[in-house]
Amino acid sequence: EPEVTQTPSHQVTQMGQEVILRCVPISNHLYFYWYRQILGQKVEFLVSFYNNEISEKSEIFDDQFSVERPDGSNFTLKIRSTKLEDSAMYFCASSSGTGRDGYTFGSGTRLTVV
Amino acid sequence: QQQVKQSPQSLIVQKGGISIINCAYENTAFDYFPWYQQFPGKGPALLIAIRPDVSEKKEGRFTISFNKSAKQFSLHIMDSQPGDSATYFCAAIKTGANNLFFGTGTRLTVIP
Repeated sequence: EPEVTQTPSHQVTQMGQEVILRCVPISNHLYFYWYRQILGQKVEFLVSFYNNEISEKSEIFDDQFSVERPDGSNFTLKIRSTKLEDSAMYFCASSSGTGRDGYTFGSGTRLTVV
Repeated sequence: QQQVKQSPQSLIVQKGGISIINCAYENTAFDYFPWYQQFPGKGPALLIAIRPDVSEKKEGRFTISFNKSAKQFSLHIMDSQPGDSATYFCAAIKTGANNLFFGTGTRLTVIP
């Protein structure tokens, strides 16, 4: 069964440092997403990406965040200057259509900011 | 504003019992309601989903009941098994939108 692959599985970074989280969506999917889950809390939408541009973003996705699809397979989330409160599990997801068509989530990257 | 409310936060059920998780939503524009199952260290995986034009959907031991007038929906797990122990999230989305609104999750533990 096709999978969404995320790397690394765990990243520890110092406050103020830049991090890039990487994802390889399912190959024939067109919509790409990032979500985050702070420990013990609900999964929250960050951003959706379609046709090489952001289609929707939440209030959480401020200027310190950016997304990119640098080639035909990878989808990245960059956090420019990490804060302690950015510590969370970050999930990448992809879908063939809009959300009704079912997301496939990756296993996540646990980001720890110290 | 919490778009989707979920309860209980945690649930312990004996093997063979029925697990029931409840969700309520505010936005009447939502028209697709998936449930996700998440095991530790893994991402959420789609379990079952329902549209508001039906009141119930069943897939194996999993059933969604939907009450459109009350804006509530629930997941029933019949004959619960230890392998069902996981965190369950309800979610909602509206046509044309990209973002899922998740509930706060229910940690289910099924005791052998």
